[in-house]
Amino acid sequence: EIVLTQSPATLSVSPGERGILSCRASQSISNYLAWYQQKPGQAPRLLISGASTRATGVPARFSGSGSGTEFNLTISSLQSADFAVYYCQQYGNWWTFGQGTKVEIK
Amino acid sequence: QITLKESGPTLVKPTQTLTLTCTFSGFSLSTTEVGVGWIRQPPGQAPEWLALIYWDDDKRYSPSLRTRLTITKDTSKNRVVLTMTNMDPVDTATYYCAHRQPRTATSGGFDFWGQGTLVTVSS
Repeated sequence: EIVLTQSPATLSVSPGERGILSCRASQSISNYLAWYQQKPGQAPRLLISGASTRATGVPARFSGSGSGTEFNLTISSLQSADFAVYYCQQYGNWWTFGQGTKVEIK
Repeated sequence: QITLKESGPTLVKPTQTLTLTCTFSGFSLSTTEVGVGWIRQPPGQAPEWLALIYWDDDKRYSPSLRTRLTITKDTSKNRVVLTMTNMDPVDTATYYCAHRQPRTATSGGFDFWGQGTLVTVSS
């Protein structure tokens, strides 16, 4: 089973600042990685697939990068709506999720 | 547009079998490359993928739970059913069904999700 490790567990950021979230895979998954945003009481929302392709309707301030085993999600200028929990998920070999990064207001 | 909705019991007793139904619209499970998956999320924890069924009836199960899971589809009724046997309190979670994007160089995630249904396992 491919294990995804996200860091940091909590990211404290001021509105307008940039936030960078990391996801490391235990073995290479090419670019078969997705990122999700989840707010309390809601289902996860797909942000990024293919490591870097934004889903329909996702603002351009969200960008994904990486391949192989190292991936990042960058939020260029955090808005109030962006404070949430973010999960990475791989679909190269079955499907597994990381443990999440909580983005909170500093 | 694509919508999915989960239905089933909110409370099950230990050792019982859980049956959940996902009713969807906006796509057909007979279309090539389409898949519907089940994902659960215990309170305060990360999501965990359980099972997925493809348009051609190919099925995939989480290795750690495969002996307890069965996924089936009824294409004519736009439904996918998940059964999980021998339920335990640790299986308490919100259970989601989701539409899986075709896997290409730029897609492959779960792009549409149901609202989820909280299942509590308790005697």
